[in-house]
Amino acid sequence: EAQVTQNPRYLITVTGKKLTVTCSQNMNHEYMSWYRQDPGLGLRQIYYSMNVEVTDKGDVPEGYKVSRKEKRNFPLILESPSPNQTSLYFCASSLQGPNTEAFFGQGTRLTVV
Amino acid sequence: GDSVTQMEGPVTLSEEAFLTINCTYTATGYPSLFWYVQYPGEGLQLLLKATKADDKGSNKGFEATYRKETTSFHLEKGSVQVSDSAVYFCALSADYNTDKLIFGTGTRLQVFP
Repeated sequence: EAQVTQNPRYLITVTGKKLTVTCSQNMNHEYMSWYRQDPGLGLRQIYYSMNVEVTDKGDVPEGYKVSRKEKRNFPLILESPSPNQTSLYFCASSLQGPNTEAFFGQGTRLTVV
Repeated sequence: GDSVTQMEGPVTLSEEAFLTINCTYTATGYPSLFWYVQYPGEGLQLLLKATKADDKGSNKGFEATYRKETTSFHLEKGSVQVSDSAVYFCALSADYNTDKLIFGTGTRLQVFP
């Protein structure tokens, strides 16, 4: 089954404790992206990757890191989480960029206390 | 910069009512336009798209027409069902910068029997 898998689905952590949210897709898509969803703000792009070893900042990259060592995986790293990073996070992939259909993971609800 | 504006929600309707969710955009050139739907507890999924002026996207009884003259892409359905209850996001991908998908803030639709 074609899918984007994120883990964990829910996470509560403390300020400053490094964490990683994993994202994996099984569709051989070139483009992958991370978004955060906040009430009244819609989805905002954090980082994206056009292909392996190619990543770039989206609209809200501060406090986040990503890597793309393999085509299927695109982890999101919070080196020192802060309460303002409490949000719902989505990973998405598409065949060749956002002009093609984006497939989203089920989301990771992160709470930083 | 490019942006998408959606009507505020929630939109509350009775089953079989007619639905319109307004979406207008600001972009230079000829962007591609999308409607994504988010069912409770799930990630977003593509509902329909249109890539040039006067194109009509349609899926599952939903329709939207790309209107260049009014920079709009309103979502319509003739007869909604309870199962259509979800959050609907309008989005665009600019033709000059295909690195990102720009989302509106989302409109929640609630359909009651």
